[in-house]
Amino acid sequence: GESVGLHLPTLSVQEGDNSIINCAYSNSASDYFIWYKQESGKGPQFIIDIRSNMDKRQGQRVTVLLNKTVKHLSLQIAATQPGDSAVYFCADHSTDNYGQNFVFGPGTRLSVLP
Amino acid sequence: EPEVTQTPSHQVTQMGQEVILRCVPISNHLYFYWYRQILGQKVEFLVSFYNNEISEKSEIFDDQFSVERPDGSNFTLKIRSTKLEDSAMYFCASTWSFSNQPQHFGDGTRLSIL
Repeated sequence: GESVGLHLPTLSVQEGDNSIINCAYSNSASDYFIWYKQESGKGPQFIIDIRSNMDKRQGQRVTVLLNKTVKHLSLQIAATQPGDSAVYFCADHSTDNYGQNFVFGPGTRLSVLP
Repeated sequence: EPEVTQTPSHQVTQMGQEVILRCVPISNHLYFYWYRQILGQKVEFLVSFYNNEISEKSEIFDDQFSVERPDGSNFTLKIRSTKLEDSAMYFCASTWSFSNQPQHFGDGTRLSIL
């Protein structure tokens, strides 16, 4: 099946800096994307989503960018804080996935340095 | 904010024994899911469930697995004869709509097979 993957397994940033986490997907039928945050011992927590008819969406301190031409998704976190330290997953849904199961990427660990 | 709750948080079982993992999805949600995450690996889809039947299942969800919604609130995953490789975090998720909605995850059950 199609897969979603991440370019960087780990990312370390200084507190206050901006973070960018990248994700590549391979299914051209993908129509909906989600970024999840997973803290140790917790389940994935929804951060932000974007539909394929958009190329940018902003939330509180987070922005997701979608480039369908190169099948690339990114999550930008502004003014990164210690509480942002976690593993971040992108997840992809495509129109050929009946039942709305998502394909998850392997995750990027974000470490915020003091 | 409504949450998906899972019990137990940690289950230790002898190989070959049956285990039942329990989930209480968000009350107005209609679609339910189980995912698995082996330590250090990505989240993997197991099964989706709607209207009291399985909508979709992955190749991981073999004859040893079953799901049930025994009443109006619980959603269970049963593994009939556990194997060592079943050791993982098991996450339940739910959503109220079929398409383009983020899934809400519980904090998981850590299953350890001895």
